[in-house]
Amino acid sequence: AQRVTQPEKLLSVFKGAPVELKCNYSYSGSPELFWYVQYSRQRLQLLLRHISRESIKGFTADLNKGETSFHLKKPFAQEEDSAMYYCALNDSGAGSYQLTFGKGTKLSVIP
Amino acid sequence: DSGVTQTPKHLITATGQRVTLRCSPRSGDLSVYWYQQSLDQGLQFLIQYYNGEERAKGNILERFSAQQFPDLHSELNLSSLELGDSALYFCASGPNSPLHFGNGTRLTVT
Repeated sequence: AQRVTQPEKLLSVFKGAPVELKCNYSYSGSPELFWYVQYSRQRLQLLLRHISRESIKGFTADLNKGETSFHLKKPFAQEEDSAMYYCALNDSGAGSYQLTFGKGTKLSVIP
Repeated sequence: DSGVTQTPKHLITATGQRVTLRCSPRSGDLSVYWYQQSLDQGLQFLIQYYNGEERAKGNILERFSAQQFPDLHSELNLSSLELGDSALYFCASGPNSPLHFGNGTRLTVT
């Protein structure tokens, strides 16, 4: 069965420091991976999807199939980045998005 | 604004009761997905409807049911509520782009 692991429940960094939020997955096929962000009990917002390879709010993520990882990175953390971050995997095939989420990592950026 | 509307925002009810959560998808989206977010289990997929028909089931209890109406809005019915059902219930719509989530309904069972 597919699984998404985010090993850190909480990550604290100082403003201006680099950030890396880890995500590992187990999946037998070709995964489609996403990062979602949730600010202070608000709705989940799509941050990144691996197929688009774009940078949103300074965040990037690269799919590493060899290491089965999809870590989220940002070179310089900002206070407004403080939020819950969820890595998610879509294993349902084209046209359906039954996402399997990791448990999430709470990022706290210290001023 | 994601365009996905969920009502009510908050719901407080007692054990054994039944509640209905409502979701209106983004304009043009045919699929509605329901997710449960709890402290214990994290975010879990419950069920998906596509153009009025059930498409997929996840970790949805038998006490829970859902439907999607001709106007594409969806309702999630939770019955015989237990304390452990207290959670944030999210609706999301698709399917031709990554899911866009609503603001959720926070259910508190006392």
